[in-house]
Amino acid sequence: EIVLTQSPATLSLSPGERATLSCRASQSVSTHLAWYQHKPGQAPRLLIYEASNRATGIPARFSGSGSGTDFTLIISSLEAEDFAVYYCQQRNNWPPSFTFGPGTKVDIK
Amino acid sequence: QVQLVESGGGVVQPGGSLRLSCGASGFTFRTYAMHWVRQAPGKGLEWVGVLSYDASHEYHADSVKGRFTISRDNSKSTLFLQVNSLRPEDTAVYYCARDPGPGIHYNMDVWGKGTTVTVSS
Repeated sequence: EIVLTQSPATLSLSPGERATLSCRASQSVSTHLAWYQHKPGQAPRLLIYEASNRATGIPARFSGSGSGTDFTLIISSLEAEDFAVYYCQQRNNWPPSFTFGPGTKVDIK
Repeated sequence: QVQLVESGGGVVQPGGSLRLSCGASGFTFRTYAMHWVRQAPGKGLEWVGVLSYDASHEYHADSVKGRFTISRDNSKSTLFLQVNSLRPEDTAVYYCARDPGPGIHYNMDVWGKGTTVTVSS
């Protein structure tokens, strides 16, 4: 089973700063990696799919990159509503199963 | 608008059962595979299982295999999760989520806000 690790565990930044989040897979997942934003009491929200494609309605300040085992989510300029936990996720091919990384919490400095 | 609303959570004793529901609206439910994902208190997201659009294919996480069953009623745009033989470690918020298509793809594009299951004596 492919394991995802995320770093850092916590990122303390100020509004307007750039956030760089990392996700590493224990073996190649090609570009089959997604990123989600999750706030307490809310539904998780798909941000990025297939490593670099923004989901519908996601602002351009969110961007994803990477392939194989190393992936990055960048928030170019943090806004107040961006402080949340971010998860990466991949799918094992067969039988289908899905794993999430442990998450990166982006909090206000 | 596209919406998923979970219900049916509650407090149950170890060994007990519950049936969770997820009502869908704003899209053609019968043409999408659907997932369940959970989050234990203070923990991250954990995938529980997925059911194809026509209920012909069902896959589960090893942690729930043999205890949890996913079903759906496409005529009522509703997804179900039958949870049996509950353990304290099953305590979590349970989310339903939509797969982007009828088959099983690589991510989940719409999520509900979840329903809470607490397993405690």
